[in-house]
Amino acid sequence: NAGVMQNPRHLVRRRGQEARLRCSPMKGHSHVYWYRQLPEEGLKFMVYLQKENIIDESGMPKERFSAEFPKEGPSILRIQQVVRGDSAAYFCASSPPLAGVEQFFGPGTRLTVL
Amino acid sequence: AQTVTQSQPEMSVQEAETVTLSCTYDTSENNYYLFWYKQPPSRQMILVIRQEAYKQQNATENRFSVNFQKAAKSFSLKISDSQLGDTAMYFCALGSSNTGKLIFGQGTTLQVKP
Repeated sequence: NAGVMQNPRHLVRRRGQEARLRCSPMKGHSHVYWYRQLPEEGLKFMVYLQKENIIDESGMPKERFSAEFPKEGPSILRIQQVVRGDSAAYFCASSPPLAGVEQFFGPGTRLTVL
Repeated sequence: AQTVTQSQPEMSVQEAETVTLSCTYDTSENNYYLFWYKQPPSRQMILVIRQEAYKQQNATENRFSVNFQKAAKSFSLKISDSQLGDTAMYFCALGSSNTGKLIFGQGTTLQVKP
């Protein structure tokens, strides 16, 4: 059973460009979470999605950030018009549809904004 | 609001010795879960141990055990017989059975010295 897949692993963008981060959850997992880790900090929750639904986006910045988890295909975290402050590691995690079970993390995407 | 606090930014321990990492949390929920995750230099998030709040018995996984004090809202991690491979950043996390998201502490960098 393959783990959580994220791509790309490293992404470099110039200020003003768009960044698209992809996450494929583990087989059988219908819940996806996105977290952001700034340098020397812990992970901060951004958004929680189920197939075709955003359940909790309380951690998402109000502008430029969006997330989706379509019926088919990976979950996408999209950052429009990136700024240097968006430079961070973005982690995706997935879990089966049971509350309280552990979340399995992907290897993360390191975004660098020049 | 839910919070997690790790008051030890850095710790070190000699190989084969025992070390305890501290974590305190705050939540108004009755049903919640606590986790310790390990993040080695590869940055992969690895689950170390998990504790359900409704269970009084402390969780144990091989050399890793927790001291869960529910009334004090304390959740410390004890690593016995420390190994060089235990060198990593350790994050304490609080999971909500209602929302599913994880709240992470700031992390403790553990260095195991030969």
